[in-house]
Amino acid sequence: GQNIDQPTEMTATEGAIVQINCTYQTSGFNGLFWYQQHAGEAPTFLSYNVLDGLEEKGRFSSFLSRSKGYSYLLLKELQMKDSASYLCAVIDSNYQLIWGAGTKLIIKP
Amino acid sequence: DAMVIQNPRYQVTQFGKPVTLSCSQTLNHNVMYWYQQKSSQAPKLLFHYYDKDFNNEADTPDNFQSRRPNTSFCFLDIRSPGLGDAAMYLCATSIDKHNEQFFGPGTRLTVL
Repeated sequence: GQNIDQPTEMTATEGAIVQINCTYQTSGFNGLFWYQQHAGEAPTFLSYNVLDGLEEKGRFSSFLSRSKGYSYLLLKELQMKDSASYLCAVIDSNYQLIWGAGTKLIIKP
Repeated sequence: DAMVIQNPRYQVTQFGKPVTLSCSQTLNHNVMYWYQQKSSQAPKLLFHYYDKDFNNEADTPDNFQSRRPNTSFCFLDIRSPGLGDAAMYLCATSIDKHNEQFFGPGTRLTVL
């Protein structure tokens, strides 16, 4: 079966750095997305990785290792507004998007 | 601004009373998706359209149907809502199947 694993919940301090991990087992791979979702709102696109390595975009970076079936989202200089769920999603060989259940990130002052 | 619009944002219906949710997009994207999302769960894909080509997920209940009369609009019809259908319904679009998806604000459905 197809599976994406992320921690259910993480807590971090304002101004700090946090890394949210995602591991996947899918039938084929055509890219990995990270989305941010605030409570009661729709997901918004953060990043896309299809090749191994690190993609940096401002305070957010995303890393991919296809051989390990592993990705992480790195958030720097955390702000209170970063409190949200972060969803990892993988496109499989049939171009179907497989979603993780999301990691709820709680930022404390 | 180009966007994905969903109406209504909040919908209350009675058990068994049909309801229609609507989605429109100004992005001119080929693909439109309907997801159901319950609290603390991943979005669950119900259907998607690649242009006019309709794709129904295998585990989508028969109670759910969809229409895409043109590129811009897509509708989700729930014929006989049950209490278990209470959820957030998300519409999304993408240029192609391998591109990022852009989501509308969602419609929160309550079934009484």
